[in-house]
Amino acid sequence: QSALTQPASMSGSPGQSITISCTGTNYNVGSYTLVSWYQQHPGKAPKLLIYETNRRPSGVSTRFSGSRSGNTASLTISGLQADDESDYYCSSYGSSTFLVFGGGTKLTVL
Amino acid sequence: EVQLLESGGGVVRPGGSLRLSCEGSGFIFSAYPMTWVRQAPGTGLEWVASIDGPGGRTFYADSVTGRFNISRDNSKNTLYLQGDSLTAEDTAIYFCARDARAASGVAAFYAWGQGTMVSVSS
Repeated sequence: QSALTQPASMSGSPGQSITISCTGTNYNVGSYTLVSWYQQHPGKAPKLLIYETNRRPSGVSTRFSGSRSGNTASLTISGLQADDESDYYCSSYGSSTFLVFGGGTKLTVL
Repeated sequence: EVQLLESGGGVVRPGGSLRLSCEGSGFIFSAYPMTWVRQAPGTGLEWVASIDGPGGRTFYADSVTGRFNISRDNSKNTLYLQGDSLTAEDTAIYFCARDARAASGVAAFYAWGQGTMVSVSS
């Protein structure tokens, strides 16, 4: 069960927008809308940011948005803030395996 | 308030077994699919196993198939993970998580426990 592919690290300045990619296959991201994104601060449990590709749970800032094109899903964070510095993970439902996570992206706010 | 509380972690000898529990509160436990996710030290999230609300359908990662068993007791609002033949690669923080949507679920985890550490070491 290969993990979804995410960039290992990204960085941005406060106020900027950044987009984190998550590349899968026709067996997961490319065929299903059940893509989710999580934020995890060190020592904490993950927090759900996006589900079903582009839906936000109640209480999640509108600065976080999701999309999908082909086998690649994306998380965009607009108006970058210091507290956005964190690890981000994507996940997808799949036909060959129920669920797979991405390897994670460490976001640094400069 | 939705809460999940895991227990059962600790040090296990290679080849040994684990039994983790996760008690849910603040929601209709039987209505939601539940999942175990683990995170080895310094690494990313790994999906382990999921179970539907009634407990009749289960799903496992290849890495634990045949060794781990996920189950639930809806009368006790509790989720379980039984694991056998543990190796060092099973060392991780184990989180239980609740799906974001009841019934069929959306394979997204809205509520998480605080995690319980399992260390496999001689």
